[in-house]
Amino acid sequence: QQQVKQSPQSLIVQKGGISIINCAYENTAFDYFPWYQQFPGKGPALLIAIRPDVSEKKEGRFTISFNKSAKQFSLHIMDSQPGDSATYFCAARGGFDRGSTLGRLYFGRGTQLTVWP
Amino acid sequence: DTGVSQNPRHKITKRGQNVTFRCDPISEHNRLYWYRQTLGQGPEFLTYFQNEAQLEKSRLLSDRFSAERPKGSFSTLEIQRTEQGDSAMYLCASSLAREWPQHFGDGTRLSIL
Repeated sequence: QQQVKQSPQSLIVQKGGISIINCAYENTAFDYFPWYQQFPGKGPALLIAIRPDVSEKKEGRFTISFNKSAKQFSLHIMDSQPGDSATYFCAARGGFDRGSTLGRLYFGRGTQLTVWP
Repeated sequence: DTGVSQNPRHKITKRGQNVTFRCDPISEHNRLYWYRQTLGQGPEFLTYFQNEAQLEKSRLLSDRFSAERPKGSFSTLEIQRTEQGDSAMYLCASSLAREWPQHFGDGTRLSIL
């Protein structure tokens, strides 16, 4: 069962536009929600993250919006650039398994973003 | 560069062979995680270490897989009797503690012929 559901699977945006990627989760024990950016042949690189007691976090052109009651969070990339073309993964950390808090990350399936110049 | 280092970057082997991957975490990070990523999917958790202790293993980690982290520094992941379904990118991540972010290496891509 997919613990974190991510949409859309792919996204095409014109340069200067806004890219929006959405994620949803069910496990209310998750305590940290990072976004990772991955280029072909590379590992995921941490982009920005948020905790559930905060509704929004902004770092440069990247903003996370978090809706705890709806169990949804999204990544907004403002003024999208061709260099932003990559695969983006949302993730959630924590949960409990047999009484222990693992710290493992549960990832969405990814969104392939293409920004046209 | 002081990031997470993984070797080899690519491994091609015949079905049935054993393979071993190595991960060197960021210095002083006591938590080390292994994930597996298949094409078009997000990484999936395999196992993690706190220092030298392997504290949890995913159901994805069959008995053909074994991981070690001697002395709490680098870690190795061994796959015995490889199968076609083992073809994937094997990613290692490390963090200073549970509450700190996980930083990933660039992975080892395993191809089974």
